[in-house]
Amino acid sequence: AQKVTQAQTEISVVEKEDVTLDCVYETRDTTYYLFWYKQPPSGELVFLIRRNSFDEQNEISGRYSWNFQKSTSSFNFTITASQVVDSAVYFCALSDSSIGSGYALNFGKGTSLLVTP
Amino acid sequence: ETGVTQSPTHLIKTRGQQVTLRCSSQSGHNTVSWYQQALGQGPQFIFQYYREEENGRGNFPPRFSGLQFPNYSSELNVNALELDDSALYLCASRERGGPPTQYFGPGTRLLVL
Repeated sequence: AQKVTQAQTEISVVEKEDVTLDCVYETRDTTYYLFWYKQPPSGELVFLIRRNSFDEQNEISGRYSWNFQKSTSSFNFTITASQVVDSAVYFCALSDSSIGSGYALNFGKGTSLLVTP
Repeated sequence: ETGVTQSPTHLIKTRGQQVTLRCSSQSGHNTVSWYQQALGQGPQFIFQYYREEENGRGNFPPRFSGLQFPNYSSELNVNALELDDSALYLCASRERGGPPTQYFGPGTRLLVL
């Protein structure tokens, strides 16, 4: 069975601080996909990034960066120089690679990030 | 915006009633999935539709059912509503055979009284 754990329920930072959101996953699959989504107060889930299990390269996109480590089953997300607009709930999700599964997503419980001026 | 639309945006029902939620997928996307998100929780997979057939289902009872139409739009039907069905219902679409990324709509907030 797959499981995603986001141990941080809520994080509060002051604008311009760096913040890291943790994600630990469990799966028996050798091939799988990891995702991060952002959910602002409006409710819509916004896709941020997808990583394949065979690609452990870290990725940077502007102020966002992701650290994928298979050895520790972690896929952490760092926001550099946080801004008020980053305030949202962030979800880490896992899907297996079987086409029959339809790539159904298993989500963590989310981390609520509040960035104050 | 993803191009995935859902209707209605909000809905209030009473226990025991039936409800139908609708979703239009992003252009070019032929696979639609539905998720239930209770307050303070992560979304939970309900089921997925491809070629008008259910193609994968999560741990939800049969009173949760769906349809997919030839234009790839989809409906989620819930019978005999219970108080615990109060949640945000999210629809997501992707292109079967394409990248496994799902793109979500804005959701329908259902309140069961």
